[in-house]
Amino acid sequence: DAGVIQSPRHEVTEMGQEVTLRCKLISGHNSLFWYRQTMMRGLELLIYFNNNVPIDDSGMPEDRFSAKMPNASFSTLKIQPSEPRDSAVYFCASRLAGTGANVLTFGAGSRLTVL
Amino acid sequence: GDSVTQMEGPVTLSEEAFLTINCTYTATGYPSLFWYVQYPGEGLQLLLKATKADDKGSNKGFEATYRKETTSFHLEKGSVQVSDSAVYFCALTRNSGNTPLVFGKGTRLSVIA
Repeated sequence: DAGVIQSPRHEVTEMGQEVTLRCKLISGHNSLFWYRQTMMRGLELLIYFNNNVPIDDSGMPEDRFSAKMPNASFSTLKIQPSEPRDSAVYFCASRLAGTGANVLTFGAGSRLTVL
Repeated sequence: GDSVTQMEGPVTLSEEAFLTINCTYTATGYPSLFWYVQYPGEGLQLLLKATKADDKGSNKGFEATYRKETTSFHLEKGSVQVSDSAVYFCALTRNSGNTPLVFGKGTRLSVIA
């Protein structure tokens, strides 16, 4: 199993540009979580999906952020327009809900720098 | 709401020293508790977990015991190695429903030879 795959690993962009981060879940997993990690705030949950349906997006900072799951194995997190304060490492994580283990498997992260 | 508080870092230890990283939690009901580890440039990996009171999770020489009376899940290792240098996160999730993990802020550990 290749694990949770995120792309790009690093992105440097200028303020105002659109950023799209991608995540491929582990095959068979049905829950997907997007987290953001910064020095100041640590790990923050942005949004999570169960069976492709968004369950809680209260952590999404602003309307500039949006996330989708077009199918059971893939998700995108989009920031439009991006701002310097969006600079962070963005992680997605997946798990198989209902197994009782509640163990998340994380991707390696996408480091975003907005200039 | 649910929350996790862990000791502030960074923690710097010499090789073979004893490690304790404190973690306490606030949650309704009986959550599951976890320790995740993040090595430089990588995502978080599950280190160990415990799903009910008095359970002890262990892995790679690390241990943590679920103490409901003190709402704690402290991480310990008897003899740390340079390769243990990483950021350690305590986390919890409720056992009912598919709820997300709530993480502490992380504790950076540096082990020097």
